[in-house]
Amino acid sequence: QSPLTQPPSVSAAPGQKVTISCSGSSSNIGNNYVSWYQQFPGTAPKLLIYDNDRRPSGIPDRFSGSKSGTSATLDITGLQTGDEAAYYCASWDVSLSDVVFGGGTKLTVL
Amino acid sequence: EDHLLQSGGGLVPPGGSLRLSCEASGFTFSDYAMNWIRQAPGKGLEWVSALSGSGDATYYSDSVRGRFTISRDNSKSTLYLHLDGLRVEDTAVYYCAKDRLTASFDAWGQGTPVTVSS
Repeated sequence: QSPLTQPPSVSAAPGQKVTISCSGSSSNIGNNYVSWYQQFPGTAPKLLIYDNDRRPSGIPDRFSGSKSGTSATLDITGLQTGDEAAYYCASWDVSLSDVVFGGGTKLTVL
Repeated sequence: EDHLLQSGGGLVPPGGSLRLSCEASGFTFSDYAMNWIRQAPGKGLEWVSALSGSGDATYYSDSVRGRFTISRDNSKSTLYLHLDGLRVEDTAVYYCAKDRLTASFDAWGQGTPVTVSS
């Protein structure tokens, strides 16, 4: 059981917006940065968002992150079929002295 | 562009040992902490271990502490993970990842599978 909770799956139509949530506690999200990763089957994860809301170069602005209290969200606008993937949040947990990942959310673009 | 090329891994019986390697290019290797992260079949990501850029600070998850050893050779821009006392539950794809601090990883290796089975 991960300290970070994500919905197992979300879905939306092409062109629409989807929000993926990541719920934690004061030990992790509440007092540390959040990052988000995209992973296609059989491939390595890719960094989408770091430091809560910053995008690495090359990541489209359709992807955005935010944090409030002990929760974080990843928003994806203008959904494309190529966005179908698993998405993971991560944060440092001071109680565990570990990096913790959410369980992952499978995005389906209908 | 940052690039991480992994090698090692394979099939090993319970109690066996393996060494994974991760060769870096495209950045000054010694300037960055490096991590190992694994993913069991059909499961999510699990952080395993981290090592500071100088190699003098190591970190391990409770699930591998005392059995796995992380190390690096900055002269070869290579990160290692030595896995001892392997258990069936260690079966996973292992990724090395470059640490940009704040629990964010901006470059990943291609992954190498480790299967522990008799």
